Amino acid sequence: SQKIEQNSEALNIQEGKTATLTCNYTNYSPAYLQWYRQDPGRGPVFLLLIRENEKEKRKERLKVTFDTTLKQSLFHITASQPADSATYLCALVSGLYGGATNKLIFGTGTLLAVQP
Amino acid sequence: SQTIHQWPATLVQPVGSPLSLECTVEGTSNPNLYWYRQAAGRGLQLLFYSVGIGQISSEVPQNLSASRPQDRQFILSSKKLLLSDSGFYLCAWSALRWGARGEKLFFGSGTQLSVL
Repeated sequence: SQKIEQNSEALNIQEGKTATLTCNYTNYSPAYLQWYRQDPGRGPVFLLLIRENEKEKRKERLKVTFDTTLKQSLFHITASQPADSATYLCALVSGLYGGATNKLIFGTGTLLAVQP
Repeated sequence: SQTIHQWPATLVQPVGSPLSLECTVEGTSNPNLYWYRQAAGRGLQLLFYSVGIGQISSEVPQNLSASRPQDRQFILSSKKLLLSDSGFYLCAWSALRWGARGEKLFFGSGTQLSVL
């Protein structure tokens, strides 16, 4: 069966350290993968997209890697801050290339808690 | 700029009562529209998506239905709510691009539904 797995346990780190979150998937061949941030009681907010032909993508303190052989994406936040505390969701597309819809399938998310 | 409105923010309904959640998008035309549900401690589950007026696709069999009476309006309904319908309901939109796969989702602020 198709699965997207993120660590269900909360990740607790100290301020200033690098947080690394993992997203593993099985029985998908996504052309791209996305990462979102979700604060309590709010809708997810898009952060980064990485395509299958990209190994790494950066945006400010964020870095995403995509290994289609391992079927894994890693999401890094460097110099983490308490304001980075949130749930982070990975998502990939499920559907035909060139299709009319892009149905994003989400992982369950990992809660990141950055301690001051 | 584009905005998405979703209401109400919270809703408490008795079992067996009807439901109507509304979502509207401003600042764009012909968007893809989506309804997701997020149960406590679980990931986002895609319920319905729509590529145009009157065009609804259901992802899972359930007690809910969706309608798109106007280009930028998406409604989630139920005739009789069940306890299992409780959850956090999110509306989202994405730009429709034929052949392109990478558009991100923009989410509304969500409706927390409690069925008692």
